[in-house]
Amino acid sequence: GENVEQHPSTLSVQEGDSAVIKCTYSDSASNYFPWYKQELGKRPQLIIDIRSNVGEKKDQRIAVTLNKTAKHFSLHITETQPEDSAVYFCASPADRGSTLGRLYFGRGTQLTVWP
Amino acid sequence: DAGITQSPRHKVTETGTPVTLRCHQTENHRYMYWYRQDPGHGLRLIHYSYGVKDTDKGEVSDGYSVSRSKTEDFLLTLESATSSQTSVYFCAIRSGTTEETQYFGPGTRLLVL
Repeated sequence: GENVEQHPSTLSVQEGDSAVIKCTYSDSASNYFPWYKQELGKRPQLIIDIRSNVGEKKDQRIAVTLNKTAKHFSLHITETQPEDSAVYFCASPADRGSTLGRLYFGRGTQLTVWP
Repeated sequence: DAGITQSPRHKVTETGTPVTLRCHQTENHRYMYWYRQDPGHGLRLIHYSYGVKDTDKGEVSDGYSVSRSKTEDFLLTLESATSSQTSVYFCAIRSGTTEETQYFGPGTRLLVL
């Protein structure tokens, strides 16, 4: 959706290096930011999310940071492995103050980790 | 997998024919969503439902209709399929107003010739 911009569209890294994917959003009232991983031919699966009351969240090699002032959030993958190769999507809420739960998704980043 | 199934998983059809895709869930989730996924466009919302018989349009609803006559089933219909509707269709659920996470079904790959 237009309300979420995701960069880069493709990213290639060497195994062991770090990867960073960034998304910007337009609605300053947005308060929930999930990241999904989609392997080839599979469904998108939630890997981590963050709410606007925190600036960073970590889960093993994955972290998400949120900058509310600049209205962007980023996915960080450290010590990348070939199995991290996938398409990653960010998302943000489409409705301010609504319970409908609609999400705008970024266009995705194809991450390739070379052994 | 949040108890979500989609059928069929693959379908080939001809332009102008009607097509219905089914999303079935077993965990009594209130909110259900239909997305299409195309290269370079990410996931785009077609229609969504916030309860039985309660549905509304998403950002790419033209050419699609939906129905939800019972909690567990959310149907997506292409009244007269066109080649531009060739895509992968994903259903998603969200369990309630305080649960923001969406979980996706396995997807349906549709080819319109």
